[in-house]
Amino acid sequence: AQKVTQAQTEISVVEKEDVTLDCVYETRDTTYYLFWYKQPPSGELVFLIRRNSFDEQNEISGRYSWNFQKSTSSFNFTITASQVVDSAVYFCALSEPPGAGSYQLTFGKGTKLSVIP
Amino acid sequence: DAGVTQSPTHLIKTRGQHVTLRCSPISGHKSVSWYQQVLGQGPQFIFQYYEKEERGRGNFPDRFSARQFPNYSSELNVNALLLGDSALYLCASSLGGTGTYEQYFGPGTRLTVT
Repeated sequence: AQKVTQAQTEISVVEKEDVTLDCVYETRDTTYYLFWYKQPPSGELVFLIRRNSFDEQNEISGRYSWNFQKSTSSFNFTITASQVVDSAVYFCALSEPPGAGSYQLTFGKGTKLSVIP
Repeated sequence: DAGVTQSPTHLIKTRGQHVTLRCSPISGHKSVSWYQQVLGQGPQFIFQYYEKEERGRGNFPDRFSARQFPNYSSELNVNALLLGDSALYLCASSLGGTGTYEQYFGPGTRLTVT
């Protein structure tokens, strides 16, 4: 069975601070995909990144960066110089490998980030 | 391009009633998935359809059913509503096929059961 743990329920930072959101996953599959989604107060989940298990290169997109460490089963997300617009609930998710069937996403419980001006 | 659309936006139903939620995927996407998100939790997988065939089902009772139409839109039906069915129901579309593609989510339908 797959499981995603986001231990941080809520985080508050002051604008322009850096913040890291933690994600730890469990799976028996050797091939899998990891995702991060943002859910602003409007409720719609916004796709941020997909990473496959064979690619452990860290990725940077503007103020966002992701650190994937297969050895510790972690896929952490860092926001640099946070802004008020970053305030949202962030979800880490894990999907089944290609060919497994439904590619369903298993989500963590989310981390609520509040950026204070 | 239009994103995933869902209707209705909000819905209030009474225990025991039936509800139908609708979803239209992004143009060109052939797979639709349904998720239930209870307040304060992450989304939970309910169903996935690809090319009108059910490709996966989550751990939900038989009161939940779904189907996909030839135009790839989808309906989620819930019978004999319980108070615990109150949640945000999210639809996601993806290209489908044999790859693991990104799933793009709609704005959701907020269902309240009283």
